Amino acid sequence: VQLVQSGAEVKKPGASVKVSCQASGYTFYTYYIHWVRQAPGHGLEWMAMINPSGGSASYAPKFQGRVAMTRDTSTSTVYMELSSLRVHDTAVYYCARVDCSTATCWSDYWGQGTLVTVSS
Amino acid sequence: SSVLTQPPSVSVAPGQTARITCGGDNSGSKSVHWYQHKPGQAPVLVVYENNDRPSGIPARFSGSNYGNTATLTISRVEAGDEADYYCQVWERSSEHGEFGGGTKLTVL
Repeated sequence: VQLVQSGAEVKKPGASVKVSCQASGYTFYTYYIHWVRQAPGHGLEWMAMINPSGGSASYAPKFQGRVAMTRDTSTSTVYMELSSLRVHDTAVYYCARVDCSTATCWSDYWGQGTLVTVSS
Repeated sequence: SSVLTQPPSVSVAPGQTARITCGGDNSGSKSVHWYQHKPGQAPVLVVYENNDRPSGIPARFSGSNYGNTATLTISRVEAGDEADYYCQVWERSSEHGEFGGGTKLTVL
């Protein structure tokens, strides 16, 4: 199993960024994908999740309306787009494969991370 | 701020046992998962569903979850265990994840 993310980005405040996460080594549409970020000096923060099978997504309230998740099943790739960027959106963004039991879900494989820097 | 409370730091000598706690109003009723995160690397799942270990994770890593507190126990701590550790729960009803604030493990 591998999740390979796109490269580092530098954006100005107010712009948008789109980060990709290409999956391989398993059947793409059978596992959800989480997005998690870590800002400098801060802990891990759960952002959103997408079901690659139907494309439905759920978002943390903090990011609702500002983040959009899409997928391309032909290339086994998930995209996370964050808009109206602010300086404190500067962070490393991770995608992670989600495994679930009947009651709970966890992330068993992670991408290498994508640094997004927001600066004027 | 997180609803899952972790101590900011834990320090242990090599060979000793480290215990990292994760407390919350209802963590006892939810399964807890634990991740190890080293600088510049992706997080690694070390315990899932309270006390299960993924393949490849040493048996020195174990977990428990009683009452309102989950605990990650690392036995016979090694220098390579120095990292940040995060607990995580899953809200099935809203399909949201939640992380604790993280604990920095220092090996003296």
